Amino acid sequence: GENVEQHPSTLSVQEGDSAVIKCTYSDSASNYFPWYKQELGKGPQLIIDIRSNVGEKKDQRIAVTLNKTAKHFSLHITETQPEDSAVYFCAVYSRNDYKLSFGAGTTVTVRA
Amino acid sequence: NAGVTQTPKFQVLKTGQSMTLQCAQDMNHEYMSWYRQDPGMGLRLIHYSVGAGITDQGEVPNGYNVSRSTTEDFPLRLLSAAPSQTSVYFCASSPLGGFGNQPQHFGDGTRLSIL
Repeated sequence: GENVEQHPSTLSVQEGDSAVIKCTYSDSASNYFPWYKQELGKGPQLIIDIRSNVGEKKDQRIAVTLNKTAKHFSLHITETQPEDSAVYFCAVYSRNDYKLSFGAGTTVTVRA
Repeated sequence: NAGVTQTPKFQVLKTGQSMTLQCAQDMNHEYMSWYRQDPGMGLRLIHYSVGAGITDQGEVPNGYNVSRSTTEDFPLRLLSAAPSQTSVYFCASSPLGGFGNQPQHFGDGTRLSIL
């Protein structure tokens, strides 16, 4: 199956600063890369996704970049706010086994 | 539109007991799946279904059974609970697309403890 590594495992930022989370994957057949946000006691919620034919995608303060050659993709959150505090998961979909594999998660804390 | 509904929200079982975790969605999604979430390990796929009557194994299927008799429901059964199955279980659904490469809609989870 796909091996997805996510770094860092915890991230503390000052309100207004940027946060960056990086994920690497192993299967070159992977073609879909979503990011999920999970708040305490809730299920993961999709915040942004990117497909392999696109290098970058942006939605307001959130952006994702994809480097297919290096097999890594990153989540960028700008102008962080306290409500951005949550656990963030990257995921990778492989066409080889039709499954979505998740990273271990990053706990983001935004300090006021 | 309730989305994905999971019941119960919490459950405590004794080793060897059986139970069924319920999952229902009202979005007419073909693809449904079950994940377990353990500390430091992200979400791991247990079983998935691409439509009524069709199920398949994920990454960690041992000890779990599923069935899909309707589009709306996808129950997960623990036949003989073991302490290693203590976890938070999430059900998700999405349009079929490429068998899972569509945005997943998650329920709020079932927190299960096996004593």
